[in-house]
Amino acid sequence: DVHLVESGGAVVQPGGSLRLSCVAAGFTFDDYAMVWVRQVPGKRLQWVSLITWDGGTAYYADSVKGRFTISRDNRKNSLYLQMNNLRPEDTALYSCVKPGGYYFNYYMDVWGKGTTVIVTS
Amino acid sequence: EVVMTQSPATLSVSLGETATFSCRASQSVRRYLAWYQQKPGQAPRLLIYDASSRATGIPARFSGSGSGTEFTLTISSLQSEDFAVYYCQQYNNWPPYTFGQGTKMEIK
Repeated sequence: DVHLVESGGAVVQPGGSLRLSCVAAGFTFDDYAMVWVRQVPGKRLQWVSLITWDGGTAYYADSVKGRFTISRDNRKNSLYLQMNNLRPEDTALYSCVKPGGYYFNYYMDVWGKGTTVIVTS
Repeated sequence: EVVMTQSPATLSVSLGETATFSCRASQSVRRYLAWYQQKPGQAPRLLIYDASSRATGIPARFSGSGSGTEFTLTISSLQSEDFAVYYCQQYNNWPPYTFGQGTKMEIK
């Protein structure tokens, strides 16, 4: 079975930083791109970022571009999201996702349970 | 950015009946459309990808159809465990990958 376990969520003040982590198991991690998706309770899901299998290329939602950095360590089967200059609107549950599909036509195949980030003064 | 619009916002259906969910894209996404089910306190679960292909382990009661800008998820013979929120997502035009706002299905 595929397992994705996130950690690192916390309560942080506006302007602060956090680093989220996701440990993957049950599949060959470095065969896949990986994704972060967030969800504000009661609101729609929002794609945040994607990183290619080798970490060579990353893509971001406009709302986080320049503030968030996605990375991975294939030796540790781990995905990361460095979040800087956090804003109250970044408050959400952040989930690590293994995508399915090909050539960036990716649906969200398997989801972790997520880690909660709260940005408040 | 492709905007995904789901209707209705809430669907009230009786056990054993058929539920139909709609998802509309602001521009063609060909057949690159997925459906997810989310229950309270749980992560979303993939139901359908490529508009009509069922994900692993998803019962045949769940079916998807459509292409271009109009898509439908149909759940027949509704069971109690089916009552949840359903989301659609396009993955043709990216970034960003975009989701609909969700349809909540309630027991009538």
